Amino acid sequence: AQSVTQLGSHVSVSEGALVLLRCNYSSSVPPYLFWYVQYPNQGLQLLLKYTSAATLVKGINGFEAEFKKSETSFHLTKPSAHMSDAAEYFCAVSDVYGNKLVFGAGTILRVKS
Amino acid sequence: DAMVIQNPRYQVTQFGKPVTLSCSQTLNHNVMYWYQQKSSQAPKLLFHYYDKDFNNEADTPDNFQSRRPNTSFCFLDIRSPGLGDAAMYLCATSRDRGWVETQYFGPGTRLLVL
Repeated sequence: AQSVTQLGSHVSVSEGALVLLRCNYSSSVPPYLFWYVQYPNQGLQLLLKYTSAATLVKGINGFEAEFKKSETSFHLTKPSAHMSDAAEYFCAVSDVYGNKLVFGAGTILRVKS
Repeated sequence: DAMVIQNPRYQVTQFGKPVTLSCSQTLNHNVMYWYQQKSSQAPKLLFHYYDKDFNNEADTPDNFQSRRPNTSFCFLDIRSPGLGDAAMYLCATSRDRGWVETQYFGPGTRLLVL
């Protein structure tokens, strides 16, 4: 079964510092991976997705993620954190049939001034 | 702007009193999903509609039902809400099913059961 594991339920960085949110996947088929962001009391917004076209995927708001098959990872990064990046981030993988997303437990990002 | 709309944003109901949450979309997407997200947890899919075809997740309780009268609207009915059903309910849409399809989420309805 498809699954994702997000390491670290909470991550705290200083404004201007590198953001690194970790996601590892388990998949019986070539995975299709997504990162979503959720601001308090709001729905999820797509940041980026991996569809096998390129291993380095650029998304909105300066985020990017690199697919590493050898490490079964799809970590999310941003070179310089901004206060507005404070939110919860979910990594997700499509299920085997492509009928649904399987989400990780989420990582709450805190940005300190 | 094309979007996914959920009403109301907050819903309070009483234990055992039926409640309906609504979702509408202007994206003209074929697929509509309902997720349940409990506090500090990941969203969990309850069911989805592919056009008029209803697809229930195996572990979705019978207490939860859904209707999709047309392309634009989808409803989540909770027949007898329990305290454990208090959660954020997220509606999402996608153009089609498939591994690379992006799901677009509404803002959610937060349900409180008293």
